[in-house]
Amino acid sequence: DAGVIQSPRHEVTEMGQEVTLRCKPISGHNSLFWYRQTMMRGLELLIYFNNNVPIDDSGMPEDRFSAKMPNASFSTLKIQPSEPRDSAVYFCASSRTSGRSYNEQFFGPGTRLTVL
Amino acid sequence: SQKIEQNSEALNIQEGKTATLTCNYTNYSPAYLQWYRQDPGRGPVFLLLIRENEKEKRKERLKVTFDTTLKQSLFHITASQPADSATYLCALILNYGQNFVFGPGTRLSVLP
Repeated sequence: DAGVIQSPRHEVTEMGQEVTLRCKPISGHNSLFWYRQTMMRGLELLIYFNNNVPIDDSGMPEDRFSAKMPNASFSTLKIQPSEPRDSAVYFCASSRTSGRSYNEQFFGPGTRLTVL
Repeated sequence: SQKIEQNSEALNIQEGKTATLTCNYTNYSPAYLQWYRQDPGRGPVFLLLIRENEKEKRKERLKVTFDTTLKQSLFHITASQPADSATYLCALILNYGQNFVFGPGTRLSVLP
């Protein structure tokens, strides 16, 4: 298995531009997570989906952030308009869950976003 | 307020010694606690999970303890090696769901 795939790996953009980050979870996994990591705030959960449905988006910082999961094999995280304080590494992770049973999360390599 | 802390930002130990990392939390009631390893430029990698009703879990040279009274988990690496050098993150899983809260991490350096 290729693992969780994220694209792009690096993104440099200017303030005010729209940014779209992409994630392909591991086949067969039904939960998908978006995280943001910075030196100041560490690793923060932004939103997670279960069976393509957003379950908890309380970590999404502002209305400028939105996430979608149109099918089981693809998700996007969009920032519009982007600001310099959005600069961070964004991780996508997936896992297989059912009911109260828990399985480990598998993280992608991350997208390093720089907003100038 | 809710808080999750790890004992120190960085820890240096000599090869062959046991590394002990601490994770403390306040005002959370996690159903599970996990430990991850993160290398520079890469995503975290899952190491161990321990449930609220378990006291200890082992995997090869790794051992995790979980004390819900003290609200603390200890992560031990025995016979440490330079290859164990990385940042280690603890994570709380809340409400038997998928709500994860990560600690800030401890950067471990094992010196040859």
